[in-house]
Amino acid sequence: RKEVEQDPGPFNVPEGATVAFNCTYSNSASQSFFWYRQDCRKEPKLLMSVYSSGNEDGRFTAQLNRASQYISLLIRDSKLSDSATYLCVVKRYSGGGADGLTFGKGTHLIIQP
Amino acid sequence: DAGVTQSPTHLIKTRGQQVTLRCSPKSGHDTVSWYQQALGQGPQFIFQYYEEEERQRGNFPDRFSGHQFPNYSSELNVNALLLGDSALYLCASSLGRFGEQYFGPGTRLTVT
Repeated sequence: RKEVEQDPGPFNVPEGATVAFNCTYSNSASQSFFWYRQDCRKEPKLLMSVYSSGNEDGRFTAQLNRASQYISLLIRDSKLSDSATYLCVVKRYSGGGADGLTFGKGTHLIIQP
Repeated sequence: DAGVTQSPTHLIKTRGQQVTLRCSPKSGHDTVSWYQQALGQGPQFIFQYYEEEERQRGNFPDRFSGHQFPNYSSELNVNALLLGDSALYLCASSLGRFGEQYFGPGTRLTVT
């Protein structure tokens, strides 16, 4: 089983719609959680961190359920510029240090006019 | 404020050759992590350098090695290249080993 699993999509949604992505992680030692955005042939960029209490940044809302080892991202009022690959990322801390970020394969989102 | 820079942008090598990729961290950052991203996959952690030492390592063979210099810049070396090493190699820098990681634009390596 992959450590971080995402539905690869693609998700094709009309502009203005609400879209939700889910992600599950297998290692309960995971301690930090993030959503990154990656545009085609570009580097990943941090979209937002994910907290147990849930957090919101404009049109974006992230939720974490530690009991179910489940992370979600909701995008409201989607824009054409939201078209990208969304990467679910977890981070573990071990041996006095931080392991590297563990990425899912990403979910490809296409917003259609 | 300069972000993370990587060189070269693209590289084509032949199977069996060796390659060196370079990374300069974002200003103020002291930690460099390297990732390999194959087509259609998420990035995979190779290793992390802090205080000029390899601190953490992912599941990559010894053919992958690195170095960090006193100015915090870093190199990734890959020996005995295989076709499967073709990928985008990403460098990420952070302030400390626990800090938020900022990625560079990557080096696209093609092995023929």
